[in-house]
Amino acid sequence: ETGVTQTPRHLVMGMTNKKSLKCEQHLGHNAMYWYKQSAKKPLELMFVYNFKEQTENNSVPSRFSPECPNSSHLFLHLHTLQPEDSALYLCASSQERDGWAFFGQGTRLTVV
Amino acid sequence: DQQVKQNSPSLSVQEGRISILNCDYTNSMFDYFLWYKKYPAEGPTFLISISSIKDKNEDGRFTVFLNKSAKHLSLHIVPSQPGDSAVYFCAASATGTSGTYKYIFGTGTRLKVLA
Repeated sequence: ETGVTQTPRHLVMGMTNKKSLKCEQHLGHNAMYWYKQSAKKPLELMFVYNFKEQTENNSVPSRFSPECPNSSHLFLHLHTLQPEDSALYLCASSQERDGWAFFGQGTRLTVV
Repeated sequence: DQQVKQNSPSLSVQEGRISILNCDYTNSMFDYFLWYKKYPAEGPTFLISISSIKDKNEDGRFTVFLNKSAKHLSLHIVPSQPGDSAVYFCAASATGTSGTYKYIFGTGTRLKVLA
């Protein structure tokens, strides 16, 4: 248990579906992140939130829409995804000054 | 353009011997480096870090070395144990203007420790 919980663990969705990934941390961290891990590629940073404010959007397509209602929760809303969006989506959180992040276990997403 | 590179996708080491995992980076603004370990079906877990003001950091069996002039870091595991078998990710960060850390990861090296 790392303190960062992601749900669901697995998700299969059609290209016309709308779904959401949820991330929750009760570590008192101020920053939360979404990462994407595709096969044989580096972990790609998607979004960064600091004190609920989005501070980074790494040229992510608009079919991915993040939401951070408070510093403990982070969502990733998905709509009209493509098969190439199938990947492991990882949420992480960190305290600004600690310099390293706790990761959740990830959501394995398959787009069919 | 991949700013953090782990050129060895896999490594096999005999139990009890030293494992050396390597990582190269290109961005001279990186000032903090981390190693993460990842088991299948789990998220990465933090292993050890080093800041750019140091050239070595040790924690038990794990030691990270940083060579800033070569833009190279390495993780040494001594002695290697079968439970160390996992994928190891190198990550580098530069403090963002907002105060958050932006982590750039390598592609990972799969370590297999043979009993």
